[in-house]
Amino acid sequence: GENVEQHPSTLSVQEGDSAVIKCTYSDSASNYFPWYKQELGKGPQLIIDIRSNVGEKKDQRIAVTLNKTAKHFSLHITETQPEDSAVYFCAASRTNFGNEKLTFGTGTRLTIIP
Amino acid sequence: ETGVTQTPRHLVMGMTNKKSLKCEQHLGHNAMYWYKQSAKKPLELMFVYSLEERVENNSVPSRFSPECPNSSHLFLHLHTLQPEDSALYLCASSQEQFSYNEQFFGPGTRLTVL
Repeated sequence: GENVEQHPSTLSVQEGDSAVIKCTYSDSASNYFPWYKQELGKGPQLIIDIRSNVGEKKDQRIAVTLNKTAKHFSLHITETQPEDSAVYFCAASRTNFGNEKLTFGTGTRLTIIP
Repeated sequence: ETGVTQTPRHLVMGMTNKKSLKCEQHLGHNAMYWYKQSAKKPLELMFVYSLEERVENNSVPSRFSPECPNSSHLFLHLHTLQPEDSALYLCASSQEQFSYNEQFFGPGTRLTVL
């Protein structure tokens, strides 16, 4: 089955700086990669996703890049703000093999230092 | 809010107790999920229901028993739990059961088994 590794497990950055979280996956057939943000006391919430037919996707201060050859994808947050502090999860799945479940990483706790 | 509610938010139970977790979604979705979230571990998918029919059971011990009486409600019945079952239990829903559909998570039930 799919295995997703996520690094780092914790990350602290100064407000205004950029944050990068990296994930690797094992199944070369995986083609859908969402990122979820979990704030304290809440469930995870989808913030951005990317499919394997594109290498990069951007939504305001958030971007995701995908390297299919190396089987890794990354979340980039620019101009970080205190409200970006949360736990971020990457995930991977194969969507063209029927109902394939999402396999999640172990999460990154991001702290923005004011 | 995400449109997915869970009750109770916190639950403490002994190993011989029987309790139930409740999830309700107000989004008109057809698929509902139970996940287990433990510290420093990836989210673990437990059960998937699509149109009130269980479509996936991820080798979950029989002391966890799901019930989906209709497409808006999902229960997780608990009995004879073990201390290692202590975790955050998350309910989620999506339009359809496929992994590329955005999953909307509830805030979770923090379960402590004594």
